Amino acid sequence: AQKVTQAQTEISVVEKEDVTLDCVYETRDTTYYLFWYKQPPSGELVFLIRRNSFDEQNEISGRYSWNFQKSTSSFNFTITASQVVDSAVYFCALLSSNTGKLIFGQGTTLQVKP
Amino acid sequence: GAGVSQTPSNKVTEKGKYVELRCDPISGHTALYWYRQSLGQGPEFLIYFQGTGAADDSGLPNDRFFAVRPEGSVSTLKIQRTERGDSAVYLCASSLQAPRTLSDTQYFGPGTRLTVL
Repeated sequence: AQKVTQAQTEISVVEKEDVTLDCVYETRDTTYYLFWYKQPPSGELVFLIRRNSFDEQNEISGRYSWNFQKSTSSFNFTITASQVVDSAVYFCALLSSNTGKLIFGQGTTLQVKP
Repeated sequence: GAGVSQTPSNKVTEKGKYVELRCDPISGHTALYWYRQSLGQGPEFLIYFQGTGAADDSGLPNDRFFAVRPEGSVSTLKIQRTERGDSAVYLCASSLQAPRTLSDTQYFGPGTRLTVL
């Protein structure tokens, strides 16, 4: 079975703090893809990052960074120097190359206070 | 270019009525997906189209739900005899999916919030 677990339901930080959102996944596929999406209050899911299972290099994009570790089946997302505009629900998702379906976690609600 | 668009943005209906939700994918995207998101949950897969055909409809909850994509572009999700439990946000996504490649990034629309009274 394929599953994505985001254990943190809600996180609240003060602006400029760093915050890490955890994601653990389960799959028996040898080839798979991992994603992070942001869902602001407007409701639209915004694509942030995609990683392939055969590429474990970590990635940094501005204040965002992602840590992919196959050994622990984790794909964590860190926001450095958080801002109020980062407040949203963040979803981690797994895509199987066999089915094309995205399997989403429950989401983590991040609140950044000024 | 334009993203995925969905209409209506909100739909309120009465139990037992029929509703249609429309999705207009990104131009040139051959794959189209429907997901349903209940309050406080992550989106759940409903159906996937490659071109005009439904390649995978395993996520449709029952036979009251049906979706079409007759010309390989716009898709309509149809729900018959709506029930209160159908209330959710219905999300559409599209991807630039070459045949036999199921790994392209899916880009989502703003969703249709369906409320069944």
